[in-house]
Amino acid sequence: GENVEQHPSTLSVQEGDSAVIKCTYSDSASNYFPWYKQELGKGPQLIIDIRSNVGEKKDQRIAVTLNKTAKHFSLHITETQPEDSAVYFCAATTPGGGADGLTFGKGTHLIIQP
Amino acid sequence: KAGVTQTPRYLIKTRGQQVTLSCSPISGHRSVSWYQQTPGQGLQFLFEYFSETQRNKGNFPGRFSGRQFSNSRSEMNVSTLELGDSALYLCASSPRTGGDRGYTFGSGTRLTVV
Repeated sequence: GENVEQHPSTLSVQEGDSAVIKCTYSDSASNYFPWYKQELGKGPQLIIDIRSNVGEKKDQRIAVTLNKTAKHFSLHITETQPEDSAVYFCAATTPGGGADGLTFGKGTHLIIQP
Repeated sequence: KAGVTQTPRYLIKTRGQQVTLSCSPISGHRSVSWYQQTPGQGLQFLFEYFSETQRNKGNFPGRFSGRQFSNSRSEMNVSTLELGDSALYLCASSPRTGGDRGYTFGSGTRLTVV
């Protein structure tokens, strides 16, 4: 089955700086790569996603890039703000959702220092 | 529109007991997936239901089961509880089967087994 590795496990950045979280996946058939943000006491919330026919996608301060050849994708957050502090998860799945649903990375705890 | 509702929010059970968790998906969503979240293993896929049928099942023992009703509400059951079943159980709804259409997660049920 699919295996998703996520790094780093903890990332501390100064408010206003950029943050980058990286993930690699193992199944070359995977074609959908979402990112979720989880705040304390809440369920994960979808913040951005990308499909394998696209190399980059942006939504205001958030962007995701995908390198199919290297089988890795990254989340970029610019001009970080205190409300960006949370745990971020990357995930991957094959067409139709796959037999194992979404396979998630272990998460990155993003800390925004004031 | 109302989000995904999971009840109860917290549960404390004793080893050997059984437990039933409930999930009401977003109106119009016919797919409900369940995930177990623990600090050590992260988010792991339990199963997905679509139109009252189990579509996929993750690598969990048969003590974990679920069902979906005609109104798309879903329940999951864990029998003969073990200490290792302590976790946050998350329900995710989607308009279509498979996680590649974006999940909306509920806030989860925190299960503690003592």
